[in-house]
Amino acid sequence: DAKTTQPTSMDCAEGRAANLPCNHSTISGNEYVYWYRQIHSQGPQYIIHGLKNNETNEMASLIITEDRKSSTLILPHATLRDTAVYYCIVSALNYGGSQGNLIFGKGTKLSVKP
Amino acid sequence: DADVTQTPRNRITKTGKRIMLECSQTKGHDRMYWYRQDPGLGLRLIYYSFDVKDINKGEISDGYSVSRQAQAKFSLSLESAIPNQTALYFCATSDSTPGTGYPSSYNEQFFGPGTRLTVL
Repeated sequence: DAKTTQPTSMDCAEGRAANLPCNHSTISGNEYVYWYRQIHSQGPQYIIHGLKNNETNEMASLIITEDRKSSTLILPHATLRDTAVYYCIVSALNYGGSQGNLIFGKGTKLSVKP
Repeated sequence: DADVTQTPRNRITKTGKRIMLECSQTKGHDRMYWYRQDPGLGLRLIYYSFDVKDINKGEISDGYSVSRQAQAKFSLSLESAIPNQTALYFCATSDSTPGTGYPSSYNEQFFGPGTRLTVL
C-alpha cells in the first residue's frame, strides 16, 4: 500500500501557485519523498525528490516539514498544461533490491482553470 | 519520453491468446520496469530488472512473464490473456549510476508512452 495520503482533487487558477500537500507520517529516515505527475494517460513524469532539505528545480519546489511527516509540492505559476494527476511517493534509498521501488497511490488530480 | 518506446501502443486480443508487449530504451539505463494501471488507480509494479541477468517479481506478477533480451530491451508476456488483464501498461527505466559513475541512492524513473491492452 502507498505510504502517503493526498487529497483526491484540487483546483488552481491559471498563473497562480499550485500547492499540493502530501502526508507521510510514517516515513523512515532512509526514505526519499518523490513527486511524479501523469498528464491524461501518458507515462508518469518525474518532477522532484527530496530527503530532508527543501528542493527546487525548473519545474517545481518541494517543501518538507522539519519532522518529515508531510510535504508540499509547489508549482509557482500553474498553466493549463499542468493539469494532471500528481503522485507523492515515499521510497527507501535505492541501492538495489525492492526497498527502492516506487509505490504509486491514487494521487491528486490537479485541474488548472483559466 | 521518446527515449523509451513501447510497442504496440494499442492492442485488442481475445481471451486465451498469448501477447507480448515490448519496451526499448536508448537512454543506456541498466534498470527496467513494467507497470500496469487500471482506470482511476495508480500504477502497480509487475516485474523489474536491475540488469540483464536480474529479474524480479513485483506486486502483481501472476499471469505475466518477462524477458530481458538485452540491456535496452525488456518484454512483458501474457501467456494466456484474460479480461481482467485489460489495462494500460507502462515500461520505465532508471539509471543506477546517473552521471557520476557511483551508485545513486534515488530512483528517478523515465516512462514510456504506454500500451493500451484490451482482452475480450
